[in-house]
Amino acid sequence: EVVMTQSPATLSVSPGERATLSCRASQSVSSDLAWYQQKPGQAPRLLIYGASTRATGIPARFSGSGSGTEFTLTISSLQSEDFAVYYCQQYNKWPPPYTFGQGTKLEIK
Amino acid sequence: EVQLVESGGGLVQPGGSLRLSCAASGFTFSSYWMTWVRQAPGKGLEWVANIKQDGSERYYVDSVKGRFTISRDNAKNSLYLQMNSLRVEDTALYYCARTSSWIPYWGQGTLVTVSS
Repeated sequence: EVVMTQSPATLSVSPGERATLSCRASQSVSSDLAWYQQKPGQAPRLLIYGASTRATGIPARFSGSGSGTEFTLTISSLQSEDFAVYYCQQYNKWPPPYTFGQGTKLEIK
Repeated sequence: EVQLVESGGGLVQPGGSLRLSCAASGFTFSSYWMTWVRQAPGKGLEWVANIKQDGSERYYVDSVKGRFTISRDNAKNSLYLQMNSLRVEDTALYYCARTSSWIPYWGQGTLVTVSS
């Protein structure tokens, strides 16, 4: 099983600043990596797939990078609605299940 | 508009059974892999099971193998999860999702609570 490790567990950032979230895979997953945002009481929302492709309707302030085992989600200028929990997920190793990271909580500083 | 609506959750005793359903609309259900993902209270996401378009391939996370069965009825645009021998650690919000890899569409979830 591919283990996904996200860091930090909690990130405190002020509105308008940049946030950088990390995700590490225990073995290479190529660029088969997605990022999700989840707000309390809501289902997760797809932000990024293919490590760097924004999903439909996702603002340009969200960007993803990386390949292999190291990945980054960057939010360039935090808006109030961006404070949430973020998960990474790999979908490289067939067959499923495809594994998620444990999440990073992005909170207001 | 893609819609996924789960139902069937509830309170069940350890060792009991429950069948979850997911009603899909807004897309050609028979053309997509479908998946169940769960989230224990206050915890992260866990991929539970998925099923190919025609039901010929099914995959499960190790912790539910032999206890859970994923199935689908393409004529009814519905996805199911039969859960047997339930354990306290199966307590979670269960999401239905359209996917084969990344997940663009999620339902709102149905809550399963396993407790005596």
